[in-house]
Amino acid sequence: AQSVTQLDSQVPVFEEAPVELRCNYSSSVSVYLFWYVQYPNQGLQLLLKYLSGSTLVESINGFEAEFNKSQTSFHLRKPSVHISDTAEYFCAVSDGPGGGADGLTFGKGTHLIIQP
Amino acid sequence: ETGVTQSPTHLIKTRGQQVTLRCSSQSGHNTVSWYQQALGQGPQFIFQYYREEENGRGNFPPRFSGLQFPNYSSELNVNALELDDSALYLCASSSQGKPPYEQYFGPGTRLTVT
Repeated sequence: AQSVTQLDSQVPVFEEAPVELRCNYSSSVSVYLFWYVQYPNQGLQLLLKYLSGSTLVESINGFEAEFNKSQTSFHLRKPSVHISDTAEYFCAVSDGPGGGADGLTFGKGTHLIIQP
Repeated sequence: ETGVTQSPTHLIKTRGQQVTLRCSSQSGHNTVSWYQQALGQGPQFIFQYYREEENGRGNFPPRFSGLQFPNYSSELNVNALELDDSALYLCASSSQGKPPYEQYFGPGTRLTVT
């Protein structure tokens, strides 16, 4: 079974500072990786995904994540955060590109707190 | 393009009762997955439905059951409710076997069991 570890339950950063949210996953033959964001009282929104190809993936709002197979990591980064980035961030893994028959396995989440 | 919708938004039930939650998948999607998100936790996979059959299941007891209809909408049924069933229940739709592969989530149903 897959597993995901998000090492930080809460990350406070100042506005316009860089941030890294860490994610490690259990090794598997094939792995598909996702970052989802959840704003208060809302469902999950896909931020970015790694299915294959380039190990660096980017989202439209400035986030990026790098797939590192040797370290089994998929850390999320943003060079300059904004107040609107305050949310809960979930890393997820699956053995199929659409979730597979075992669905997505999520980490416990990291609460990103942006301080003015 | 219609997104994933869920009903009801909130629900309060008593321990021992039964509950049915509903999900309409995004247009063009043929697969529905259900997740349970307890407070302060990440979502946990309950099961997935494809072509009206259960396609995969997480570590949940049989009192959690589901249905998928010909229009790809889905229901999650929970019998003999327990206090620990209090959670946000998320439905996600996707296209089995064709891109885009990601799961699109609905806003969820908040279930409180008293």
